Amino acid sequence: KNQVEQSPQSLIILEGKNCTLQCNYTVSPFSNLRWYKQDTGRGPVSLTIMTFSENTKSNRRYTATLDADTKQSSLHITASQLSDSASYICVVSGLSGGSYIPTFGRGTSLIVHP
Amino acid sequence: DAEITQSPRHKITETGRQVTLACHQTWNHNNMFWYRQDLGHGLRLIHYSYGVHDTNKGEVSDGYSVSRSNTEDLPLTLESAASSQTSVYFCASRAGGPSSYNEQFFGPGTRLTVL
Repeated sequence: KNQVEQSPQSLIILEGKNCTLQCNYTVSPFSNLRWYKQDTGRGPVSLTIMTFSENTKSNRRYTATLDADTKQSSLHITASQLSDSASYICVVSGLSGGSYIPTFGRGTSLIVHP
Repeated sequence: DAEITQSPRHKITETGRQVTLACHQTWNHNNMFWYRQDLGHGLRLIHYSYGVHDTNKGEVSDGYSVSRSNTEDLPLTLESAASSQTSVYFCASRAGGPSSYNEQFFGPGTRLTVL
């Protein structure tokens, strides 16, 4: 069964600090991996996408890495801001029957304190 | 601007009643999806559609149905609501064909409570 595990479950940091979120997956065959940000009471919004051949992708202060051999990804947030407080969800898509079916992690809840 | 909307945003119903949640997108996307989100679980796929008159079951489809009569709408029906279906429901749409891995755009969610 395809699975996506994220750690830590929750994280509290001070404004301006950096942090790294982890994602391990067992989705096969692997197609792509996305990181989403979900603000409280809203739908998820995509931050980055990586395919098998990519090992790093940046979007402003967010940098995602992918190691397809160990099936691990990380999301690094630089110089955190209060607006970074949200749930960050790792989503791995596998190819099944000619279509891409996503498997969602449970998310890491990030709280940034002033 | 193009968007994806869900209605109602909040719904309280009783066990056994039929409930329909609406999802409407104005991007003209072929692909539409329904998910539920519960504490302790990631988003789980209920049903999805790759085009008009196409519907497919997801991971947790029991007790739910969808129909796709046009490109813009994918209503989700709970035929006989159960307390286990209390959840937050998200609709999403995506451009391209079934094998596309374009970004999914999510609606704002519907919070459903079944008493």
